[in-house]
Amino acid sequence: AQSVTQLDSQVPVFEEAPVELRCNYSSSVSVYLFWYVQYPNQGLQLLLKYLSGSTLVKSINGFEAEFNKSQTSFHLRKPSVHISDTAEYFCAVSPYGGSQGNLIFGKGTKLSVKP
Amino acid sequence: EAGVVQSPRYKIIEKKQPVAFWCNPISGHNTLYWYLQNLGQGPELLIRYENEEAVDDSQLPKDRFSAERLKGVDSTLKIQPAELGDSAVYLCASSPGQGEAVGELFFGEGSRLTVL
Repeated sequence: AQSVTQLDSQVPVFEEAPVELRCNYSSSVSVYLFWYVQYPNQGLQLLLKYLSGSTLVKSINGFEAEFNKSQTSFHLRKPSVHISDTAEYFCAVSPYGGSQGNLIFGKGTKLSVKP
Repeated sequence: EAGVVQSPRYKIIEKKQPVAFWCNPISGHNTLYWYLQNLGQGPELLIRYENEEAVDDSQLPKDRFSAERLKGVDSTLKIQPAELGDSAVYLCASSPGQGEAVGELFFGEGSRLTVL
């Protein structure tokens, strides 16, 4: 079985400051890793993912996440946030094999960017 | 391209009443998911369809919940009878499938259920 822990339920930050949203996972099998984002009054959407290869993956809007196998982590970072980044961010894993695509989500981290 | 469409967006019912949610996935997406999201929690999988076949329904409470995906396109999730603890957001998602698209789910805006 897999589980995902997002250590911070809420992260307030000022505009243009850096931010890190933490995610740790537990799994007895290899997994794929994802970050999903939910903007106010919108559905969840994929932000970035790690399947294989380079452990550092990036999104088109400046977020990046690094897969650390030894620490079983997949923290999300952005060097300078904008007001428009205010949203809830969910870390998720999917096991290799027959159940790939069945995402196991963390509880989410609400990022609040203040002017 | 139209996204995943869910209806109704909001539903308020009395306990013991039935309720149904409808989902129309993105055209061409063979995989369809129903997730449950309780307040302050992440989404939890209820059921996954590959075309019209339910390939994973292990988390669906079958005593009161049922789902169908006739013709492998749109899907309906039903609760009968509803209980107070069923108050939550019911999310539908679709996916183009495996390979490089693994884990790439496209979610609808959800159906928020309140059971009084």
